[in-house]
Amino acid sequence: AQTVTQSQPEMSVQEAETVTLSCTYDTSESDYYLFWYKQPPSRQMILVIRQEAYKQQNATENRFSVNFQKAAKSFSLKISDSQLGDAAMYFCARNSGAGSYQLTFGKGTKLSVIP
Amino acid sequence: DTAVSQTPKYLVTQMGNDKSIKCEQNLGHDTMYWYKQDSKKFLKIMFSYNNKELIINETVPNRFSPKSPDKAHLNLHINSLELGDSAVYFCASSPGTGSSTQYFGPGTRLTVL
Repeated sequence: AQTVTQSQPEMSVQEAETVTLSCTYDTSESDYYLFWYKQPPSRQMILVIRQEAYKQQNATENRFSVNFQKAAKSFSLKISDSQLGDAAMYFCARNSGAGSYQLTFGKGTKLSVIP
Repeated sequence: DTAVSQTPKYLVTQMGNDKSIKCEQNLGHDTMYWYKQDSKKFLKIMFSYNNKELIINETVPNRFSPKSPDKAHLNLHINSLELGDSAVYFCASSPGTGSSTQYFGPGTRLTVL
């Protein structure tokens, strides 16, 4: 089965500091999409950022950016200037190919932000 | 103007009962999904419909039956509820295939006693 692995079950970061959450995946596809979703205590799943595998440029969204290493099948999320509101579960996800409907999620990383 | 809504948000019921969870999206999306999030927070796809046609049907007990009356609605009916069905169920929608971002509803926390 194709998997998405988040090796850090929990992480913590000091407010205003930078933290990186790791994600690796396996796939036999050359064209696919990767996502990071955030789930705060409210349990709402919120899209943080998305990366298209055929684009070499790393995606950025304000304080959130990714380090996408296609050959290594690695997709890490960097959060800069961490804020209290960033405390949440973060899930990495991959679709099964450009024409696929299915998303496979990692097991999540719980991020705590220390004031 | 909620994009993807689910009702109810909380559902507490006894073993053996039958219950339904409703989902509606007002984004004009073609594809809708049901996910189950277990107690360890693991999210797994259950079903997906595209234009009212079932396109993903994962290994789920046949006590679970999705129904899509139209493109904007995808309901989940569960028969003979078991303790192991306790979880959070998320509905999601996307404009099309997996290249499209999926937008999630607020989730329904189902507790089976």
